[in-house]
Amino acid sequence: DADVTQTPRNRITKTGKRIMLECSQTKGHDRMYWYRQDPGLGLRLIYYSFDVKDINKGEISDGYSVSRQAQAKFSLSLESAIPNQTALYFCATSAPDRSPDTQYFGPGTRLTVL
Amino acid sequence: KQEVTQIPAALSVPEGENLVLNCSFTDSAIYNLQWFRQDPGKGLTSLLLIQSSQREQTSGRLNASLDKSSGRSTLYIAASQPGDSATYLCAVQAAGNKLTFGGGTRVLVKP
Repeated sequence: DADVTQTPRNRITKTGKRIMLECSQTKGHDRMYWYRQDPGLGLRLIYYSFDVKDINKGEISDGYSVSRQAQAKFSLSLESAIPNQTALYFCATSAPDRSPDTQYFGPGTRLTVL
Repeated sequence: KQEVTQIPAALSVPEGENLVLNCSFTDSAIYNLQWFRQDPGKGLTSLLLIQSSQREQTSGRLNASLDKSSGRSTLYIAASQPGDSATYLCAVQAAGNKLTFGGGTRVLVKP
């Protein structure tokens, strides 16, 4: 079984709809991250969480919100989806007690907003 | 603000040829630099991580160098194989464990 899972893997929705992307991990890591990838732009950080009570904005948090329901779960929400949020979304985890603090990525969720 | 650039954006080589992928970054205050491989429909897989105090790392046919002062890293893949076809991303890690990614180089190795 994969250590970092994302659901759904693919989603097509319409402008204005509320969407939630979910991430679960079995690695026992405290730190979790959400990124989006656009063609040719690499991955950009949306939000990150260093533990259940810690939530931080990343580089491009506008239009997104997150919830850290438990150590193993970190959800990303688009309250009112818009077409320029069409992208590939990745969740990642890391463990701060390891040096170096390598991030482990899920398989991604491809989101299309029409 | 850290910016990471990868050139070329795409590369096509015949099987057996050596691959050279370039990554440059604007702020030398980094903890480490990582090279990732991305396959369609799959997440990112870490290939090599070079600490800021290191000059290079090697794993099998892969060798990555780091010149922090000039803001450059190069990933070499020796004797390329069709299975090496993928997108390769470099990322630098700075304070707060944040990764800044380059746009990637899409590699095609032709049999």
